[in-house]
This record gives sequence, C-alpha cells and structure tokens, in this order.
Amino acid sequence: DAGVTQSPTHLIKTRGQQVTLRCSPKSGHDTVSWYQQALGQGPQFIFQYYEEEERQRGNFPDRFSGHQFPNYSSELNVNALLLGDSALYLCASSSGGGFYEQYFGPGTRLTVT
Amino acid sequence: RKEVEQDPGPFNVPEGATVAFNCTYSNSASQSFFWYRQDCRKEPKLLMSVYSSGNEDGRFTAQLNRASQYISLLIRDSKLSDSATYLCVVNMDTGGFKTIFGAGTRLFVKA
Repeated sequence: DAGVTQSPTHLIKTRGQQVTLRCSPKSGHDTVSWYQQALGQGPQFIFQYYEEEERQRGNFPDRFSGHQFPNYSSELNVNALLLGDSALYLCASSSGGGFYEQYFGPGTRLTVT
Repeated sequence: RKEVEQDPGPFNVPEGATVAFNCTYSNSASQSFFWYRQDCRKEPKLLMSVYSSGNEDGRFTAQLNRASQYISLLIRDSKLSDSATYLCVVNMDTGGFKTIFGAGTRLFVKA
C-alpha cells in the first residue's frame, strides 16, 4: 500500500519563475491538503482539496493555486516566485473532507534564488 | 493571538524521565485534534489522535479538555529515540476543514 508520494524531491528556481509540485494521496484517501514549512516553524496550511474543489484556504496570496484531479492526485502551483517562498512544501492526504488524521508525503524542498 | 499555541522548547530530559507537552487552541470551531512528531528534515508523522475521553498508546497518553480548549501529551519512560519535535494539530470546521499546526516543541532525550 503506497503512502503519500510527492514530486519532485528538490527544486531550485529563480525569482519570478513559476513552479508546479505534485502529490499522489494514500490509497483510499480523497482529500489532499498542502502546507508550507519554513525552517524552525510548524507547517502552515495553504489549502485543502476535496471532491476536486478548494474547500479551505489559509493566509496565502493568490500566487498559490492548486488543482485536484478525478483520481484525487493534486498539484500546487506557485507563480511569480519570491525568495520567501523557499521552504519545504508538504502534501497530506486524508479521507472524508479533512476531519480525520492526515498522512504526509516526504515533501518537496523548494529553493528560490 | 495564535490559533494554536504550544509550550516553547526545547525540553532537555534524561532517559527514563516523564515529560508533558501542552497545547491550547483559541477557535471553538475546532473539531478534531492530533499529535504529530517530526524528525529533523523529515515529514510529520502521526503519533496519535486526541479524544475527550483521553487515550493511551504504550508510553504515550493524550488528553483533550474542550472546556479549557487545551490538549496535552505525556511521554513516560523517555527513550533516546523520542528526541524529535512534537506538533499539536487542530482541525477547524469553518465551512470546510482548515488544519492548524502549533509551532512545535523540541524534545532532546539524553543518556
């Protein structure tokens, strides 16, 4: 039973560029949440997708957008990258719209130069 | 005020010690509660869910007090392998679930 997978593992981008991160949820899960984690801080909630819709959003600008596909996999897109976007981006999956426990993927480490 | 607040760390304890972590949340729409542990440069891993009746898993005990909006985690007989960051997590129903993590409390268990 595969857990949550994310790609790529690491990424280096330049300011102003755009990036797409990908996530496949754990088998049987239909809800995907994305988080940004800076060094020394707890993960910050970006948004959650359930039934292919963004159901909740944290305090992130519109430069952060996402999508969920019919197979429940998800993408996170970040436009006009800033240096401050450098962080570990975590995807977590769960079932039932987000009430239950979430399981995390290994993350994508994004460096913006 | 942060929506989820944890004890500032780090906690430095000897092997075999009992250590307690506390967490408070401010939003009464909070519905479900969890403790995660996170090792350096790794993803958070679920430690346990937290229920009003309290729950125990081996050396770990979690408790929830909804009236005081307070969550706790107790670790008994600490092991070196318990060294990690412990994250308090709250799911809030605000017309869809939003998940808020505490900043985490770092635990160092020493021989």
